[in-house]
Amino acid sequence: DAGVTQSPTHLIKTRGQQVTLRCSPKSGHDTVSWYQQALGQGPQFIFQYYEEEERQRGNFPDRFSGHQFPNYSSELNVNALLLGDSALYLCASYLQASRGQWEQYFGPGTRLTVT
Amino acid sequence: AQSVTQLGSHVSVSEGALVLLRCNYSSSVPPYLFWYVQYPNQGLQLLLKYTSAATLVKGINGFEAEFKKSETSFHLTKPSAHMSDAAEYFCAVSFGGTSYGKLTFGQGTILTVHP
Repeated sequence: DAGVTQSPTHLIKTRGQQVTLRCSPKSGHDTVSWYQQALGQGPQFIFQYYEEEERQRGNFPDRFSGHQFPNYSSELNVNALLLGDSALYLCASYLQASRGQWEQYFGPGTRLTVT
Repeated sequence: AQSVTQLGSHVSVSEGALVLLRCNYSSSVPPYLFWYVQYPNQGLQLLLKYTSAATLVKGINGFEAEFKKSETSFHLTKPSAHMSDAAEYFCAVSFGGTSYGKLTFGQGTILTVHP
């Protein structure tokens, strides 16, 4: 099992452009969360998807949007990129292992640089 | 307001010495608590989690943490540091009543281990 995979690993974009990041959850995991980790900071929650719906959202502008596909994979889209969007974007996948117990794994992240 | 505070952005210990990384949170409801480790240019790896069972939680790589409700703390310890423990450590809290929802992270503590 490859665990959580993210693509691409690195990306360089220009201000004003749009970007799409991809996440494939661990096999069987049906819930995906996205986090933004700026340099020297802790990760910040962007949103979570379950059953192809956004279940929970953090304090991020509408420029950040997402999607979950029937196979549970997910995309994060960011429009009108700003320099401040430069960060490591992390995907986490979840599976309810038993009642009240959840299995969770983070992916290696996508490093986005906006110039 | 719900928040997570890690005391000390940098901690330095000698190999074989005790590791103590501090985490305090503020919440009016019982939270779920986590510790993660992040090696350079990698994603997050779960060390351990508290989900309202035993207050002393044992994790991987010899780490453990104790939930102290009266002190609103969840400090991470390891009796004897190893060179391979050098990394950044994040305390995270789920305030939403589940262990799979939004995580709020502390700012991180960089652990340096000297020979």
